[in-house]
Amino acid sequence: GAGVSQSPRYKVAKRGQDVALRCDPISGHVSLFWYQQALGQGPEFLTYFQNEAQLDKSGLPSDRFFAERPEGSVSTLKIQRTQQEDSAVYLCASSLGGGTGNEQFFGPGTRLTVL
Amino acid sequence: AQKVTQAQTEISVVEKEDVTLDCVYETRDTTYYLFWYKQPPSGELVFLIRRNSFDEQNEISGRYSWNFQKSTSSFNFTITASQVVDSAVYFCALSVLTGGGNKLTFGTGTQLKVEL
Repeated sequence: GAGVSQSPRYKVAKRGQDVALRCDPISGHVSLFWYQQALGQGPEFLTYFQNEAQLDKSGLPSDRFFAERPEGSVSTLKIQRTQQEDSAVYLCASSLGGGTGNEQFFGPGTRLTVL
Repeated sequence: AQKVTQAQTEISVVEKEDVTLDCVYETRDTTYYLFWYKQPPSGELVFLIRRNSFDEQNEISGRYSWNFQKSTSSFNFTITASQVVDSAVYFCALSVLTGGGNKLTFGTGTQLKVEL
């Protein structure tokens, strides 16, 4: 009974380093979402995939952020040249369907600290 | 643009007290969904409930109940006879039909502390 898994759970990067965060959604889930949660705040939408298609990337804060889901399953969020303001928890969620209103199941998140 | 406001930053209650968490939302869409999620100290968001904009029936599930009122754009959450295990951050969220997809707009959360 696997839920959404994310790795690594914790990542410390020096400013300027590139990082890659991985998300394994629930098997068979069509939709996959990435959110960024700053300390003491609610999650904020970054990007959304339906199968392998990235349908919405309006929340990505800069062109340093890039996400992919090449085979419609596992997804990777990559942050290039990390900055201190990138420090946050990055949450991945998946849902069975592609429509509005579907329940999203969240992973435990990756806590990124940029020094 | 969508917006969710949770004005209560932190609430402290004594076990067995009832507590209501407020949520006010803004959207121009007529078709939308409202959600409540719980985030315990472990960090993983746990789904609690979903309502669509056409269903204003209040709902009760065990010690939890939800009051959806379109007239005031509110979707409040009440925990009856609170327990220490209810201590967590609770988020209200909104998704709209326009534009497709299902991205959630979250409020800033309410930290609930239930003490013995």
